[in-house]
Amino acid sequence: GAVVSQHPSRVICKSGTSVKIECRSLDFQATTMFWYRQFPKQSLMLMATSNEGSKATYEQGVEKDKFLINHASLTLSTLTVTSAHPEDSSFYICSTHWGPEAFFGQGTRLTVV
Amino acid sequence: GENVEQHPSTLSVQEGDSAVIKCTYSDSASNYFPWYKQELGKGPQLIIDIRSNVGEKKDQRIAVTLNKTAKHFSLHITETQPEDSAVYFCAASKNYKLSFGAGTTVTVRA
Repeated sequence: GAVVSQHPSRVICKSGTSVKIECRSLDFQATTMFWYRQFPKQSLMLMATSNEGSKATYEQGVEKDKFLINHASLTLSTLTVTSAHPEDSSFYICSTHWGPEAFFGQGTRLTVV
Repeated sequence: GENVEQHPSTLSVQEGDSAVIKCTYSDSASNYFPWYKQELGKGPQLIIDIRSNVGEKKDQRIAVTLNKTAKHFSLHITETQPEDSAVYFCAASKNYKLSFGAGTTVTVRA
């Protein structure tokens, strides 16, 4: 069964609105959650690392005010895309790890119209 | 940071033949090398992994080799089947942070 549950799987939103994506760790407490973005026919690019109870660490070039990450509990991390624009349309994937092995969410297909 | 290169970008094989995908990495501190299969619209699925203290690992039709000195690792799929058609990603991990290769689209021809 799924170790990480990600919702929603698909979302369409209007330009200028905000969208929240949730990732829940089902089988263990996830102190760290990684957020990736994947454009069509491209690889996964790490956006940020969220740590429970502290501020997220963002990769170079990722706007922290646009991609708000909250990791308030050991089982839930959220990514909010604020003031979304069409260029934010992408596949967003979260993952956590148990030892070195990563467990991925099912992904969220975001389309901004 | 870590840089992972993956080749080829596309691979077409006849059913029953073998498929080989190669990756190189740049950071010698990376110590965990997973391979993922991704189907359209889904998250990556781990198919095999190898740690830096092991040179080779096999699981049925899938094998992975690692050369730490040369900083490269490879995925081998034998007796390919149509259901092996997918995008495959290699990755290198340091401190649980994954850096992915660009991906290989594998097509198995029936």
